[in-house]
Amino acid sequence: EPEVTQTPSHQVTQMGQEVILRCVPISNHLYFYWYRQILGQKVEFLVSFYNNEISEKSEIFDDQFSVERPDGSNFTLKIRSTKLEDSAMYFCASSEALRGLGLLRRDTQYFGPGTRLTVL
Amino acid sequence: AQSVTQLGSHVSVSEGALVLLRCNYSSSVPPYLFWYVQYPNQGLQLLLKYTSAATLVKGINGFEAEFKKSETSFHLTKPSAHMSDAAEYFCAVRLDTGTASKLTFGTGTRLQVTL
Repeated sequence: EPEVTQTPSHQVTQMGQEVILRCVPISNHLYFYWYRQILGQKVEFLVSFYNNEISEKSEIFDDQFSVERPDGSNFTLKIRSTKLEDSAMYFCASSEALRGLGLLRRDTQYFGPGTRLTVL
Repeated sequence: AQSVTQLGSHVSVSEGALVLLRCNYSSSVPPYLFWYVQYPNQGLQLLLKYTSAATLVKGINGFEAEFKKSETSFHLTKPSAHMSDAAEYFCAVRLDTGTASKLTFGTGTRLQVTL
């Protein structure tokens, strides 16, 4: 069964350093997402991406964050200068595009196993 | 705006007992509703989803949920708990506008299953 994969599973970095989290979405999916879960808190939406551009982002997704689809398979989240409060589990998700009633609808989001980011 | 409230951050049941995890939603337009499960050190796995078809939705591992518009609820049930059901369960809502994308999650309910 196709699945979303993420690398690395755990990343430790020093405050102020740049990190890139990598995701390989399910191959026929067109919508991509990043979420994060700070320890003990709920899963929060960061950003969605479609057709090589951001389609929606939350207030958490500030100028320190960026996303990219550098090739046909990878989807990355970059944090330019990490802060202690960026420590969290970061989940990538992807969904199919379904056409119905003249609209392109996003289908169910399938999540990867996550990358645990620890900022020291 | 959309939101989800999960009542009870921890629920403990005996093996073989009924599982009931509560979820109430708030949405200005018809919602899509989801239950995800997170096993220790793993990602989020889809259990089931409501997308305005049948109000009673059956999912994997014997779970089901019923959409009740009058109560704005989407509670998750399983008739008989198994030890392997111990995990964290998240209810999530997404607006059914065709263009909306983000999932809004509840705070999660940790299910403990005892012998």
